[in-house]
Amino acid sequence: QQQVKQSPQSLIVQKGGISIINCAYENTAFDYFPWYQQFPGKGPALLIAIRPDVSEKKEGRFTISFNKSAKQFSLHIMDSQPGDSATYFCAASRTGANNLFFGTGTRLTVIP
Amino acid sequence: DTAVSQTPKYLVTQMGNDKSIKCEQNLGHDTMYWYKQDSKKFLKIMFSYNNKELIINETVPNRFSPKSPDKAHLNLHINSLELGDSAVYFCASSQWAAGASAEAFFGQGTRLTVV
Repeated sequence: QQQVKQSPQSLIVQKGGISIINCAYENTAFDYFPWYQQFPGKGPALLIAIRPDVSEKKEGRFTISFNKSAKQFSLHIMDSQPGDSATYFCAASRTGANNLFFGTGTRLTVIP
Repeated sequence: DTAVSQTPKYLVTQMGNDKSIKCEQNLGHDTMYWYKQDSKKFLKIMFSYNNKELIINETVPNRFSPKSPDKAHLNLHINSLELGDSAVYFCASSQWAAGASAEAFFGQGTRLTVV
């Protein structure tokens, strides 16, 4: 059973555009929602994370929007750059659980 | 200085063999993990382990076994390798404080190819 659903599977955006990746979850016990970025041949690395007590978190060009009632969260990449081309994973976990459930990943390609 | 390191980076082996992948973290974390990433990039947790508890994903075949000689190491041993075991295996670690979730740091991965 997929704990976290992610879409789209792939995304092509022009340089300077906005990239949006969406995730949804079912388990209301989840209270930590990170996004990971993975470049080819590398392991995933934490990009930004949010907890459900806030509806938005911004770090530079990256913003997480969180909708607790809808059990959805999304990653927005503003002014997308070719260097942002990577696979992005949303994830979720709950406090005290030694586990992190990943979405299926979105392969982002930013065209110069 | 590499935070989470795993060896080897590439492993090619024949069906039926037994192999191990080593993982070490120098972050002082108390929890380590093994994830499997298949050809579609899906990341699936296999095990999580801290000094108190081993949690096994029930879908993982018992041919896979984690072995932790100490808090900084979690090796993955695989018996009787099958073609379907071909994937990239990632080791990760985190520090789980009571009442908090923590960032997981990943190694660079081990690409296992079973022929």
